[in-house]
Amino acid sequence: DSGVTQTPKHLITATGQRVTLRCSPRSGDLSVYWYQQSLDQGLQFLIQYYNGEERAKGNILERFSAQQFPDLHSELNLSSLELGDSALYFCASSGWDRENSPLHFGNGTRLTVT
Amino acid sequence: DQQVKQNSPSLSVQEGRISILNCDYTNSMFDYFLWYKKYPAEGPTFLISISSIKDKNEDGRFTVFLNKSAKHLSLHIVPSQPGDSAVYFCAAGQDSNYQLIWGAGTKLIIKP
Repeated sequence: DSGVTQTPKHLITATGQRVTLRCSPRSGDLSVYWYQQSLDQGLQFLIQYYNGEERAKGNILERFSAQQFPDLHSELNLSSLELGDSALYFCASSGWDRENSPLHFGNGTRLTVT
Repeated sequence: DQQVKQNSPSLSVQEGRISILNCDYTNSMFDYFLWYKKYPAEGPTFLISISSIKDKNEDGRFTVFLNKSAKHLSLHIVPSQPGDSAVYFCAAGQDSNYQLIWGAGTKLIIKP
């Protein structure tokens, strides 16, 4: 158990809809990262938050947004969904020191857009 | 442009033998490399890392080798066990965790 909790585990929705994915980081971790993994692809970094503030952006579409709340949980909002958004979405958390605190991943949310 | 490549989508190894997983990268600015293991329906789990100032790091049955001149790293698992069957991802980065670039993964199958 990594200590990172993601809900829901599965989401099935239609094109054009909006969904929210939720992540609770490991206790004590201030950084939250969101990744997308499409079929047979590596993980694509979307966005990072540190202690409530956006720290870095990767290949995140404008239709996607995220935030980190005061209690450090994070939400990833995906809107105007397209078929190509179907993927596994992982949340990860870490401490401040990358050498001693590598990323710890949740079990992911599998999003299916029909 | 794939900056981190795992050219073998899958690898099959006999139980008890050595498993060698390979990873190539193109960006010479990477200074931090990691290996993660992923079981189905679970998130990736950290295995081992290596900084660019080293060429080898060992943790139990797992050893990572880094060849900076060849821009190549490898993960050795000795001896291989059935529980090692999983998808292995290598990742490379610089400065901080958010800059990690991930390979597409290699599926390791350990045969009894």
